[in-house]
Amino acid sequence: DGGITQSPKYLFRKEGQNVTLSCEQNLNHDAMYWYRQDPGQGLRLIYYSQIVNDFQKGDIAEGYSVSREKKESFPLTVTSAQKNPTAFYLCASSTQVGAQETQYFGPGTRLLVL
Amino acid sequence: GNSVTQMEGPVTLSEEAFLTINCTYTATGYPSLFWYVQYPGEGLQLLLKATKADDKGSNKGFEATYRKETTSFHLEKGSVQVSDSAVYFCALVQGAQKLVFGQGTRLTINP
Repeated sequence: DGGITQSPKYLFRKEGQNVTLSCEQNLNHDAMYWYRQDPGQGLRLIYYSQIVNDFQKGDIAEGYSVSREKKESFPLTVTSAQKNPTAFYLCASSTQVGAQETQYFGPGTRLLVL
Repeated sequence: GNSVTQMEGPVTLSEEAFLTINCTYTATGYPSLFWYVQYPGEGLQLLLKATKADDKGSNKGFEATYRKETTSFHLEKGSVQVSDSAVYFCALVQGAQKLVFGQGTRLTINP
């Protein structure tokens, strides 16, 4: 089955620690995205990548970093510079970035701070 | 910039009631419009979409019509079920730009 997987489902971060969230897709999509979801709010874009070895900042990139070394993978690192990391993180992919492209979402990772 | 405004929730209905969730947008030009649904503890799934004015998207009994004159894309369903309980997001994308989401509307259907 084609789809997007995210791991882990729950992640705990200690003060000052960097943590990495995994996102893998086998849909052969060029574009991938990371969103943050806070209670009662819509999704906000953190980073997106249109192609391997290229990525762009979204609306709330501060305190986060990404890499895109493989087409299938787009890991997100939440650094210690992100002062309020507790949220639900969603990864998505699409054939390409564009007006008619449907984004397909993974099941999400919930990040909690200890 | 582009933006989406959704009807504030939560919305609570009885089974078999008629559902409307309002969505209006601000954009220059002609965006594509989407409704996504999020079931508890899960990611988002595309529910329906429309890519040009007067298009009607439909899926699983839900419908929404792209109204350029009122810049709206209201979601409707004639008879809701308990299994429709979820959070619904309206979104738009324009050109090669990213998706812009509304804040979401939580829907609860009581038996």
